[in-house]
Amino acid sequence: GAGVSQSPSNKVTEKGKDVELRCDPISGHTALYWYRQRLGQGLEFLIYFQGNSAPDKSGLPSDRFSAERTGESVSTLTIQRTQQEDSAVYLCASSFPTRSGETQYFGPGTRLLVL
Amino acid sequence: SQKIEQNSEALNIQEGKTATLTCNYTNYSPAYLQWYRQDPGRGPVFLLLIRENEKEKRKERLKVTFDTTLKQSLFHITASQPADSATYLCALPNQAGTALIFGKGTTLSVSS
Repeated sequence: GAGVSQSPSNKVTEKGKDVELRCDPISGHTALYWYRQRLGQGLEFLIYFQGNSAPDKSGLPSDRFSAERTGESVSTLTIQRTQQEDSAVYLCASSFPTRSGETQYFGPGTRLLVL
Repeated sequence: SQKIEQNSEALNIQEGKTATLTCNYTNYSPAYLQWYRQDPGRGPVFLLLIRENEKEKRKERLKVTFDTTLKQSLFHITASQPADSATYLCALPNQAGTALIFGKGTTLSVSS
């Protein structure tokens, strides 16, 4: 079976433009996460989707960031009016949480460069 | 809120030695703790999960310990190889159980 896939793998954009990043989770995984990883830094949690529950948006850094997920399938992360500080790798992960815990499976990431 | 500290940003050891990485957390004790490996340009890959009632877990050359009194996990790689060179991340669930919190990672370099 396929793992988590993300597209595009690389994106270069100009400051002020909007970008949309896509994540295809592993089939059957109910949970989906977006993280941001700046160069040389750790993972920064952005948003979490679990089934049909309201998403946990507590990690979104500003109202320029939004994400959607339809059911238990594809998710898109949108960054509006991009700034140079948004340059980072955006990682998506999916999992199937159980009472005893969960293992997250990560995609390869989208490398975003804002000029 | 929970904070995770991994002992050092970088660890350099010689091939064949045992690498020991430390993960400390400051707040509530999690039900479990995980270790991931991340290679440059790639997403993290799950290695091991250890539960709060387990003292030690092993997988091939990897060993993880979990001390809820010290609020610490140790990650050991025995007989290290250059191929073990990577960044290792400690992760544990937030209090709500809605997300994993990751440490900043320790970058291990194994020289031959």
